[in-house]
Amino acid sequence: NAGVTQTPKFQVLKTGQSMTLQCAQDMNHEYMSWYRQDPGMGLRLIHYSVGAGITDQGEVPNGYNVSRSTTEDFPLRLLSAAPSQTSVYFCASSYGQWATEAFFGQGTRLTVV
Amino acid sequence: AQKVTQAQTEISVVEKEDVTLDCVYETRDTTYYLFWYKQPPSGELVFLIRRNSFDEQNEISGRYSWNFQKSTSSFNFTITASQVVDSAVYFCALSEARLGGYQKVTFGTGTKLQVIP
Repeated sequence: NAGVTQTPKFQVLKTGQSMTLQCAQDMNHEYMSWYRQDPGMGLRLIHYSVGAGITDQGEVPNGYNVSRSTTEDFPLRLLSAAPSQTSVYFCASSYGQWATEAFFGQGTRLTVV
Repeated sequence: AQKVTQAQTEISVVEKEDVTLDCVYETRDTTYYLFWYKQPPSGELVFLIRRNSFDEQNEISGRYSWNFQKSTSSFNFTITASQVVDSAVYFCALSEARLGGYQKVTFGTGTKLQVIP
């Protein structure tokens, strides 16, 4: 049982480049979300999805795009990378929408130079 | 406004000592859930416990125990007889229900625990 799989684990981008962080889960969870983790700021919600075809913005959505075409996959797109997007990104999934624990991927360490 | 405060940024203890990690939360909701997650040096986030707002019973799981007190809006985590493997960053989180299925989850800034052998 793979759980939540994130790729890549590390990435370096130049300012202005675009890229997609991949996230897949095999637990048939309806709820998926993306967080970024920055020193001293905990985890902040970027975007979330409550099911295939349904997405919405979280706390810090600017500069990011998401889509949810299947239950399993929830990719995060950086449209035009900026140094302020240097962070560790986590994808998470959960069975329920708010009352259940989240399962996290291994994280992606992104550096924008 | 929903808020989670983990005032202890870093804590160092000697192995076998007991240590308590503090978590104070703010919410206007009467129905909510509290969580603790562990992030070891390898980086992944691991779920430890969930507690709903109607259940104030303390919980013990091996060397771990949690003290939930609604009167002080606190959900503290104690590790008894700490071990080096407990070295990690620990996050407290608060989840509130919202109409339309939006899971409003707020994480604290984390407490880094170092257990010295």
